[in-house]
Amino acid sequence: NAGVTQTPKFRVLKTGQSMTLLCAQDMNHEYMYWYRQDPGMGLRLIHYSVGEGTTAKGEVPDGYNVSRLKKQNFLLGLESAAPSQTSVYFCASSPVDAVSTDTQYFGPGTRLTVL
Amino acid sequence: SQKIEQNSEALNIQEGKTATLTCNYTNYSPAYLQWYRQDPGRGPVFLLLIRENEKEKRKERLKVTFDTTLKQSLFHITASQPADSATYLCALVHQGGKLIFGQGTELSVKP
Repeated sequence: NAGVTQTPKFRVLKTGQSMTLLCAQDMNHEYMYWYRQDPGMGLRLIHYSVGEGTTAKGEVPDGYNVSRLKKQNFLLGLESAAPSQTSVYFCASSPVDAVSTDTQYFGPGTRLTVL
Repeated sequence: SQKIEQNSEALNIQEGKTATLTCNYTNYSPAYLQWYRQDPGRGPVFLLLIRENEKEKRKERLKVTFDTTLKQSLFHITASQPADSATYLCALVHQGGKLIFGQGTELSVKP
């Protein structure tokens, strides 16, 4: 099992450009999450999905969109990148919601720089 | 507003000593609390979960306590080793099952 994988690992964008981050999991997990991690801020939830075809907003959703067309994939899109979106992005998955499971499984992260 | 705080300063200890990390929260009544380890350039890895009706949980050299009156969790690593050096994150369950993370405490164990 590869667990949770993220593509790409690194990316540099110019302000206004768009891009999509891909998260894939091979554990048949229902729930998937996108976080961003900034120095001194901890992990903050951007969007999440409780199953194929569903998405919901987290703590900091503005400027991002997501899609969960297939159970194993969760895409995070930036339509018009801004320097404030420079961050490390982590994807995670869990079998059911966090109340019922012991853990979230995280990917290795994508380091995004917006110039 | 709801808040989770961990020691913002890095913790430096000598090998063999016990490391104690603190997680404090306000305006929450979490059903349980989790601890994760994060190495540089990697995603967090789950370590332990403790429920509100559990005072203490152990796993090998790790011990977590959960005091719902003080709104505090303590994370202990006994007989610490340089390989334990990492950032440790606490996380609480928010409504709908979402996790809210603290900012993490960096631990450095010197040989």
